[in-house]
Amino acid sequence: DAKTTQPPSMDCAEGRAANLPCNHSTISGNEYVYWYRQIHSQGPQYIIHGLKNNETNEMASLIITEDRKSSTLILPHATLRDTAVYYCIVKTKGDKLIFGTGTRLQVFP
Amino acid sequence: GAVVSQHPSWVICKSGTSVKIECRSLDFQATTMFWYRQFPKQSLMLMATSNEGSKATYEQGVEKDKFLINHASLTLSTLTVTSAHPEDSSFYICSARRPMRGPGGYTFGSGTRLTVV
Repeated sequence: DAKTTQPPSMDCAEGRAANLPCNHSTISGNEYVYWYRQIHSQGPQYIIHGLKNNETNEMASLIITEDRKSSTLILPHATLRDTAVYYCIVKTKGDKLIFGTGTRLQVFP
Repeated sequence: GAVVSQHPSWVICKSGTSVKIECRSLDFQATTMFWYRQFPKQSLMLMATSNEGSKATYEQGVEKDKFLINHASLTLSTLTVTSAHPEDSSFYICSARRPMRGPGGYTFGSGTRLTVV
């Protein structure tokens, strides 16, 4: 599986959009980009995933660059409850999830 | 839908004893489950892949005789930490692979915090 690079931490003001970047320059054609988050002392929670096209659901939007070498997770209106560690994972659809170090997002009032 | 229940949520045990952690998929059948371990301020580390009706596949460096995994049914996998020692104290999390039509594909339990004293 391709490796991902994420900033270790980010801050965001409550109510503003949180944009979390992820680099995956060695991604291959059949690998998807998945995003999970882990709120303190809980199991990870699925957010969104995509292959080539941008995706949106009730939680977030995923923007994947045309060359697929990077992506951005967007939380449109961050709340204090969005404070968590966000993991960007690249893998084929049936494969196991291998977690990197993630980005610790702190949303402040 | 797609709920995974993990039990217990926390456990304290004495050194040398064994502890069993259960992971159940409540509303779907999971032929494959995964077990992770997480130390404080670190990421999740995959320990093993549990396949229903067959032996688990362990990641490199994980002692299979110490961490016994049983996946006897399509909705239950268990992890037994045998002869636990303080260094086994950690947060253990299971995950179940959902049917492919579901979003994301994986649902996680809420984790079990093990403290060995």
